[in-house]
Amino acid sequence: KAGVTQTPRYLIKTRGQQVTLSCSPISGHRSVSWYQQTPGQGLQFLFEYFSETQRNKGNFPGRFSGRQFSNSRSEMNVSTLELGDSALYLCASGENYEQYFGPGTRLTVT
Amino acid sequence: AQTVTQSQPEMSVQEAETVTLSCTYDTSENNYYLFWYKQPPSRQMILVIRQEAYKQQNATENRFSVNFQKAAKSFSLKISDSQLGDTAMYFCAFMKRGGSQGNLIFGKGTKLSVKP
Repeated sequence: KAGVTQTPRYLIKTRGQQVTLSCSPISGHRSVSWYQQTPGQGLQFLFEYFSETQRNKGNFPGRFSGRQFSNSRSEMNVSTLELGDSALYLCASGENYEQYFGPGTRLTVT
Repeated sequence: AQTVTQSQPEMSVQEAETVTLSCTYDTSENNYYLFWYKQPPSRQMILVIRQEAYKQQNATENRFSVNFQKAAKSFSLKISDSQLGDTAMYFCAFMKRGGSQGNLIFGKGTKLSVKP
């Protein structure tokens, strides 16, 4: 099976802009989760979607949102970007309590 | 709330030797999973090994094995016959069983360097 794919791989945005990141899960996986990875805070859970419904949400402001489509592909959106949003955003898909990660999207906010 | 602590920010080991990475966690849950993930430099996060809390037997995957001490809330990873390709950040993670399967709680990681 193909692994988790994320697009784009790299992104540079300006403060105040918004950004949309995309994730395609492993075929057959209905659970998709998003994580933010920064040197200071480490890996932090953003949210999880299962069958198009948000099932769990981490402690992030409302500027961070996501959705999942009927084919399990997921997008996350960050509005009104701040410098502190610069991070590696990881998507994971899973089943049976195992999560498999994509390569991530490196977002730089200037 | 659950927490995961990795007390060794960095470690190094000689090629072919054995190294143990430490992880402790705190939870009031009784049913959960513990994981070790490997993130090589600039590369994808890879699942190394999974332990189910209700299983007494320690998980093993080839050169990787864990020492799971449920009462002590300890979950260490042993890498035998270390190889240069084992150089990576290693993250210990916790997931509660039931409900959401996507909420992994990670430790801060241990940077392992394997030296030739």
